[in-house]
Amino acid sequence: GQNIDQPTEMTATEGAIVQINCTYQTSGFNGLFWYQQHAGEAPTFLSYNVLDGLEEKGRFSSFLSRSKGYSYLLLKELQMKDSASYLCAVRGRNAGNNRKLIWGLGTSLAVNP
Amino acid sequence: NAGVTQTPKFQVLKTGQSMTLQCAQDMNHEYMSWYRQDPGMGLRLIHYSVGAGITDQGEVPNGYNVSRSTTEDFPLRLLSAAPSQTSVYFCASSYTSGTYNEQFFGPGTRLTVL
Repeated sequence: GQNIDQPTEMTATEGAIVQINCTYQTSGFNGLFWYQQHAGEAPTFLSYNVLDGLEEKGRFSSFLSRSKGYSYLLLKELQMKDSASYLCAVRGRNAGNNRKLIWGLGTSLAVNP
Repeated sequence: NAGVTQTPKFQVLKTGQSMTLQCAQDMNHEYMSWYRQDPGMGLRLIHYSVGAGITDQGEVPNGYNVSRSTTEDFPLRLLSAAPSQTSVYFCASSYTSGTYNEQFFGPGTRLTVL
């Protein structure tokens, strides 16, 4: 079957660094996404990885290892506003125009002062 | 650009009532989809469309219908509401060609079925 695993909850301190892991087992692989979702709001796109390695975007970085079925999201210089749920999603087998994603349940991050 | 818009933001229905959740996007995206999000269940795909006139079922389609007569609009119809359909519903859209095609989400509709 297809499965994405993420830790349910994490806590961290303002100014620190936190790493949120995601492991996946899918039928084929055609890219991995990270989304941020604040409570009561819609998910918003953070990053995309399709090749192995690190993608950096300001305070946020995302890493992918396709051979290990593993990704992580790294958040640096944490701010209170980073308290949110972080969703990992994988696009599985390439099916032409089909843009379906397989979603993890999300990791709820609490940033404490 | 307004992006992805959804109406209504909140709705309360009685069991057995029907209603339509509206979704529109102004980014000329070919792909549109409906998700429901429930605590502990994550985002689950209800229906999706890869273009006008083309729709297909996701993982939880029972009790819902969709149509796609234009590129911009993708309404979701609840045929006979049930308490199990109490949820937050998100519409999302993206391009189908190109590299990563992130999905853009609407603000959501919070539905309660009594």
